[in-house]
Amino acid sequence: AQTVTQSQPEMSVQEAETVTLSCTYDTSESDYYLFWYKQPPSRQMILVIRQEAYKQQNATENRFSVNFQKAAKSFSLKISDSQLGDAAMYFCAYRSARPPGSARQLTFGSGTQLTVLP
Amino acid sequence: SQTIHQWPATLVQPVGSPLSLECTVEGTSNPNLYWYRQAAGRGLQLLFYSVGIGQISSEVPQNLSASRPQDRQFILSSKKLLLSDSGFYLCAWKGTGDSPLHFGNGTRLTVT
Repeated sequence: AQTVTQSQPEMSVQEAETVTLSCTYDTSESDYYLFWYKQPPSRQMILVIRQEAYKQQNATENRFSVNFQKAAKSFSLKISDSQLGDAAMYFCAYRSARPPGSARQLTFGSGTQLTVLP
Repeated sequence: SQTIHQWPATLVQPVGSPLSLECTVEGTSNPNLYWYRQAAGRGLQLLFYSVGIGQISSEVPQNLSASRPQDRQFILSSKKLLLSDSGFYLCAWKGTGDSPLHFGNGTRLTVT
């Protein structure tokens, strides 16, 4: 079974600075997807960024980028120019590329609570 | 565009009472549907998923059950709530292929 580990329960960053959130995963599969979700105080889960394992290029979405190291099974999220609205719980998630029976459900890490300091 | 509705947003129920949480999706057909639970300060745990009407898969043994009476409707139920059922419940849907998971706004359940 796949597991996702986020070893930083809490992180803080100064506004306008850069912060990196860590995520590692364990899998025997070669084809899969990785995601970062954001959960602000409203508790809604918002997709931040996704990465296909077959792609060598790191995904980027505006101020958010990932460092995907497939051999090391590492998938970190970098937030540049941090803003107060970035404060949230961030979850790393894994999804197999295999079809159902698993219905391709996500396996989540335990989350990292990010605080942005003004 | 697709939207997902989940209600109620907040629920306080006594131990032993029944539960019914509802989730509906609009703007898509034959979605995969999911129920997740998030205990306080912890990650998300998959409870149930469904790939079609009447098809329910359970990931963990528990006091809860799920049903999918219509293509875009997913219901989470319990006959008798336990204190340990308290938590934040999230419904989610996914389209075909490589599409990502989209979540509802969640239900905060407190069992007293």
